[in-house]
Amino acid sequence: EDQVTQSPEALRLQEGESSSLNCSYTVSGLRGLFWYRQDPGKGPEFLFTLYSAGEEKEKERLKATLTKKESFLHITAPKPEDSATYLCAVQAKTGGFKTIFGAGTRLFVKA
Amino acid sequence: DVKVTQSSRYLVKRTGEKVFLECVQDMDHENMFWYRQDPGLGLRLIYFSYDVKMKEKGDIPEGYSVSREKKERFSLILESASTNQTSMYLCASSPPALDLWGFFGPGTRLTVL
Repeated sequence: EDQVTQSPEALRLQEGESSSLNCSYTVSGLRGLFWYRQDPGKGPEFLFTLYSAGEEKEKERLKATLTKKESFLHITAPKPEDSATYLCAVQAKTGGFKTIFGAGTRLFVKA
Repeated sequence: DVKVTQSSRYLVKRTGEKVFLECVQDMDHENMFWYRQDPGLGLRLIYFSYDVKMKEKGDIPEGYSVSREKKERFSLILESASTNQTSMYLCASSPPALDLWGFFGPGTRLTVL
C-alpha cells in the first residue's frame, strides 16, 4: 500500500537555526513527490516537484532532496515567516492522478 | 495567477441535510480534486475528475458524490450530512504536467450538528 510518513510532527526552531524535515514514502513506482506549505486557515501552496533519486530543488531558504525512500526539506537560517505546516505527497506511476499526502510537519520559528 | 475559489469559507449544517460545496478554477485545468483534511490524518482524496463529466473515486468516497458539468466547476455533494463529515474541505486543480501539481482553494470549514 502506498504510504507517506512525515517527521517530526512539530518542530520548534530559533530564527537562524537550520534544520530538516523528513518525508518517508512507500510507493509502487514513483511518478513524483511534492512539497507544499500550508498556513493556518488556508489551502496548501505548491513548493516543489521531485521526480527521481538524487534530484534537488531550491527556493529561497528551502531545499528539497530525494532518495529512493525519503525526501528531506532543508530549511536554512529560517525566519519567523517560515512558520507553517509543510506537507509532503507522492504520486505513483500506476495510480493515475491519485496523490497521497502525509500528515505534515508543523514548523514554528521564533524570533 | 491561478485562482481556485470555493463557495463558502465556513458552513454549518444539520444532520441529514443535503450539502453542496462548489469549486471554480480559472486556469482551464483538466484535473480537479476534492480532499478533506482532518488533524493527524492529512489530506484524504474524496473524488477527482480529469475531464468534464468524468469522475473517479478517491480513498473515501462513501457519503459523497460529485458533479462536473463544466470544465471550470467541480461540485462536491453530501447527500445526507452526518457529524463525522465535519471537516475542512479543500478543492484543487492541476494541469496535466506534474511540475506545478496542485493549486488549492482556501478551503471550506464544514460543521455538521
